[in-house]
Amino acid sequence: DGGITQSPKYLFRKEGQNVTLSCEQNLNHDAMYWYRQDPGQGLRLIYYSQIVNDFQKGDIAEGYSVSREKKESFPLTVTSAQKNPTAFYLCASSILAGVIYEQYFGPGTRLTVT
Amino acid sequence: KQEVTQIPAALSVPEGENLVLNCSFTDSAIYNLQWFRQDPGKGLTSLLLIQSSQREQTSGRLNASLDKSSGRSTLYIAASQPGDSATYLCAVNNNDMRFGAGTRLTVKP
Repeated sequence: DGGITQSPKYLFRKEGQNVTLSCEQNLNHDAMYWYRQDPGQGLRLIYYSQIVNDFQKGDIAEGYSVSREKKESFPLTVTSAQKNPTAFYLCASSILAGVIYEQYFGPGTRLTVT
Repeated sequence: KQEVTQIPAALSVPEGENLVLNCSFTDSAIYNLQWFRQDPGKGLTSLLLIQSSQREQTSGRLNASLDKSSGRSTLYIAASQPGDSATYLCAVNNNDMRFGAGTRLTVKP
């Protein structure tokens, strides 16, 4: 089955620790994205990547880092510099055909930092 | 900067009713608009994608319309069912995706 997988589904960390969220897709999509969702708010873009070994900051990149070493994988690291890391994190991907694209989402990872 | 607003924030209807969810955006120079469904604690499922050149898209009981000039889109759900209960989000693409906060729909049996 084609799709996007995120792991783990739930993640608990102590304040001050870095944590890495996994995102893998087998859709052969060029672009991948990380969003953060907080209660009652729309999704906010953290980082995106349109090609391997290249990525761009979104609206709220501070305290986060990413890598794109393979087309299929786009892991997100939440560093200790992120002031309010507790949130629901969503990964998405899309094929790039000009700008006419549709985004597909993974099931999400809920991160709780105490 | 594009701003996307969804009204109402929450909606409760009896089963069988037809309903309309609204999405408005401030910058009409968009490439497309996408409607998503999100169940509690889950990812987003794409429902409909409307390109900027289109006026509407239909999928089963769902119909989405787009009026770029007025900065509005509506999602029409016919003959609502309890299984339609979820949060519905719209996202507007003008070189990056901007999401509304969603409308939480409850369909009561």
